[in-house]
Parts: sequence; structure tokens; C-alpha cells
Amino acid sequence: GNSVTQMEGPVTLSEEAFLTINCTYTATGYPSLFWYVQYPGEGLQLLLKATKADDKGSNKGFEATYRKETTSFHLEKGSVQVSDSAVYFCALTGATGFQKLVFGTGTRLLVSP
Amino acid sequence: GAVVSQHPSWVICKSGTSVKIECRSLDFQATTMFWYRQFPKQSLMLMATSNEGSKATYEQGVEKDKFLINHASLTLSTLTVTSAHPEDSSFYICSARKGQTREQYFGPGTRLTVT
Repeated sequence: GNSVTQMEGPVTLSEEAFLTINCTYTATGYPSLFWYVQYPGEGLQLLLKATKADDKGSNKGFEATYRKETTSFHLEKGSVQVSDSAVYFCALTGATGFQKLVFGTGTRLLVSP
Repeated sequence: GAVVSQHPSWVICKSGTSVKIECRSLDFQATTMFWYRQFPKQSLMLMATSNEGSKATYEQGVEKDKFLINHASLTLSTLTVTSAHPEDSSFYICSARKGQTREQYFGPGTRLTVT
């Protein structure tokens, strides 16, 4: 079945540092890939997505590229801010029809001033 | 936009009582809504998928008689936790699928505490 593996957190960075959160997946065909962000006490917000190989999703300075050859969708940001502190979830849906979201375990990011 | 609301945002109830949580899509019609449960510092666990006008599909291990789901309209789904117990305390999050896209839009969540 489909699955998503994320790096364990927490990831602790200083403000303006470079961020990478690794995400790899297992799925048949070409799934759609997502990054969601969850701020404390809130639901999930879609951060970015990519629906086919080599697509780059981007939003609010975050980027992730759909790499079919390495089955990865790593999240990156060049300069993090304290306000980026949250939990980040990598997720996918199956390639055919509409299938349920499969989430990774989440990675907590802590950014200090 | 694609806004999903939940009500209430938090609720405290006594053991043995039932609690209803509402999930609404505010600016779009959602043929499919999803209910998730999230334990502290853990990922989301899909509980069930509900399609408007039909019975919900529950994930393995989720008691359908305990977690009643009703999707009566294209903008509203409800989750009722019946005879709640302290182990049902959790963060419940709904999401809604917009049209035929693969995206889900999430509500802000409801924190349930059973005493």
C-alpha cells in the first residue's frame, strides 16, 4: 500500500537558517504529493502540492520538488522565521481516481530568534 | 476560497454522554468529507469517509456505532461521539473534498475532553 516516511523531529533552527525536511514515499504510479502545516492548536493548512514528476510546489518561501526517481518530496526554505514554527506533514493521494490522503508522522519545527 | 469550519472548537463532557461535532464547508459544496482523529504529537488517523446522502465508510478498527457520522447535505457533516469515555478525548479534525480534485481542505479541529 501507499506510505509516507518523514524525518523525525523536532528540527531546531535559528532564525534565517536553511530548512530541509525530508519526505519519501512508496506508491504505485504517479501519486499527488502534498505538504500540510499545522500550527499549535489548529487544523491543517495546505502549504504546497505537486501532481506530477518534476513539478515544484511553492508557497510562502517553501518549496518542494516531486522527484520520481528518488520517490522524494523534500520541503525546503531558504530562511526560516520564528513564525514558521509548526508541525509539517507530508502526504500523498493515490494515482488513480480519488483515494484517501496518506500522511507521514509529521515533523515539528522549532525556530528560535 | 475553500473554507471549512468546525463547531465547537472545544468541548468538555462527562463520561457516558454524547457529543456532536459539526463540519461545514462554507464556500463550496463537498460531496465527500473526512473525519480524522489526532492524538498529542502524532499524525492524523483517518476514521471515516462520508459521502453526501449515503452511509459513511469507516476505517478498520473504528467503531461505527460509537462514532456516528451523518452527511445530510453538501455542506454539512456531523460526527457524534456516543457514550463518550475518557479514552475518546482527542483532537478531531474534519476535511472536505472540493469537487473532483484530490485536495482536501481541513477544518480547524475540535478538542474533546471527556471527564
